[in-house]
Formats: sequence, C-alpha cells, structure tokens
Amino acid sequence: TQLLEQSPQFLSIQEGENLTVYCNSSSVFSSLQWYRQEPGEGPVLLVTVVTGGEVKKLKRLTFQFGDARKDSSLHITAAQPGDTGLYLCAGPNAGGTSYGKLTFGQGTILTVHP
Amino acid sequence: GAGVSQSPSNKVTEKGKDVELRCDPISGHTALYWYRQSLGQGLEFLIYFQGNSAPDKSGLPSDRFSAERTGGSVSTLTIQRTQQEDSAVYLCASSLNGRTGIETQYFGPGTRLLVL
Repeated sequence: TQLLEQSPQFLSIQEGENLTVYCNSSSVFSSLQWYRQEPGEGPVLLVTVVTGGEVKKLKRLTFQFGDARKDSSLHITAAQPGDTGLYLCAGPNAGGTSYGKLTFGQGTILTVHP
Repeated sequence: GAGVSQSPSNKVTEKGKDVELRCDPISGHTALYWYRQSLGQGLEFLIYFQGNSAPDKSGLPSDRFSAERTGGSVSTLTIQRTQQEDSAVYLCASSLNGRTGIETQYFGPGTRLLVL
C-alpha cells in the first residue's frame, strides 16, 4: 500500500509570511499532484509534477518533486488570506487496473490571518 | 461546459436506512471515481469506473456499499443499512479516460451525509 504523509497537519500564519508544506512517502510515485480544497467544495488541481527534481512555479506557489520521486513540497511566498484552505497531495496507483486511482495525503489546513 | 455535479448536497438519515447518492460527471469523461472524506481529512478511494464497468472496487468499506454507472454517464452510490460511521462527505470525480496517473480529476462539490 502506497501512503502519503503530509506535514504539518495545521498551519496558522499571518498575511505576508512564507510557508512550506511537505508530502512524504516510502514509495516511489510516477507523479504527484497538489490540490486545494475550500469549505463546501471539491478539491481543485493546482499542479502535477512528473520528473524527479522538477520545480514548478504558479505565481506565489512553488512545487518541488524530490529527486527520488518519494516526496514533494509546496512553498507559498507572501501568503494571503485567499490562500486559506485544505491542501492535499495525491499520487496515482502504482499499476493494475486503476491508473487514475489516487492515494491522498491527510491534508494540511492552512489559515492565513489578515 | 458544466462541471461535475452531485446530489443531494446534504443528506440526513437515520441509522439503518438506505441512501442513494448521485453523480453527474463531465460529458465525455469515461473515468469516474468515488471518494470519501472525513471532516478536514484527506480523501479515501472507494471505487473506480471505466465506462460502465468497475475494474477497481477495492475501497468499498463493506458489502453495504455498492455503486453503478449507466450509459457511461451518471453514477449512483448506494449505502444500505447506514451506520453512524458512514457519516462523511462523499466526493465524485471524473477524468477524460483514467488511463494515466497524470490526468486531471475534476471533483464535484460532494454530498454531506449525516447518519443519526
């Protein structure tokens, strides 16, 4: 069973601060995805990383995939209240008949205070 | 175009009753997934459909849970004889063909189920 562990579980910061969320596994993933979920809504895909060592930037968000493809991080620069939400990492099933089946981390609840 | 829709948005039921949750995926998406999410937690995979077939039902917690998909479109998740531990948000997602792990899954808003 492939597991993804996220840390921290909760993060409460002031507007303008920087933060990093980690997603770790003992298993190798062919790719990892990061989702953001707001209350009352379903998760929305932010990014997919597929190459070991890859770094992707999305405005103030920077995503990194570990060289060994066992871990990933999400860094937010100058956080804003609009960044508040549940951040989830997810990776695909290793094989079999459900290539699209995703394993999710337990999530990081981020609160950015004005 | 329209996104994934789910109904009802909220459902309160009594222990022992049966419930049906509905998912309308994005038109043309052949892959459909059901997940369950406990309060503020990550998502737990339940079942995957490719067309009308379910090649992976490994996440269904017990034989009280079943799902079907008809016409390669609408899916229904049925929970029989509900228990309090079934209380959760049930999320449905669809993707274009589900053949790779890097497809985008589009999620519906979920059905919040509360079993009293």
